[in-house]
Amino acid sequence: EAQVTQNPRYLITVTGKKLTVTCSQNMNHEYMSWYRQDPGLGLRQIYYSMNVEVTDKGDVPEGYKVSRKEKRNFPLILESPSPNQTSLYFCASSDSIANTGELFFGEGSRLTVL
Amino acid sequence: AQSVAQPEDQVNVAEGNPLTVKCTYSVSGNPYLFWYVQYPNRGLQFLLKYITGDNLVKGSYGFEAEFNKSQTSFHLKKPSALVSDSALYFCAVRDAGKLIFGQGTELSVKP
Repeated sequence: EAQVTQNPRYLITVTGKKLTVTCSQNMNHEYMSWYRQDPGLGLRQIYYSMNVEVTDKGDVPEGYKVSRKEKRNFPLILESPSPNQTSLYFCASSDSIANTGELFFGEGSRLTVL
Repeated sequence: AQSVAQPEDQVNVAEGNPLTVKCTYSVSGNPYLFWYVQYPNRGLQFLLKYITGDNLVKGSYGFEAEFNKSQTSFHLKKPSALVSDSALYFCAVRDAGKLIFGQGTELSVKP
């Protein structure tokens, strides 16, 4: 089954404790992206990757890191989480965003930073 | 910069009635527009897209959207709403390496 898998789905952590949210897709997509969803703000892009070893900042990259060492994986790293990073996070992939391919989303990871 | 706006936070419709969820856009050049739906505790699912061609686009679950260039709108429609259509709907526009999403509209369909 074609899917984007995120882990963990739910996480409660404390300020400053490094964490990683993993994302994996099995569709051989070149493009992958991370969004955060906050009430009243819709979805805002954090980082994206057009292909392996190529990553770029989105609209709200501060406090986050990503890597794209393999085509299928695109982990989101919070080196020192803060309460304002409490949010619902979505990973998404596409066969070609440049060619107007639609995005496939994971189920989301709800993060709470205390 | 490209942007979309969804003027209604919530839309309430009775089951069996037609529904419309509104979206307006602001782009330079030709717009590539999308609608996504999010059910509770789920990720977003693609409904339909407009790239070029016919102004009426048909998508999943009986939804359609009308592209109107003069009004810069891309409203989502369905002739007869179902209770199961209740969800959060997002309009989006493509901008370089990403999709830019609207704030979302909560659709509530009552029996």
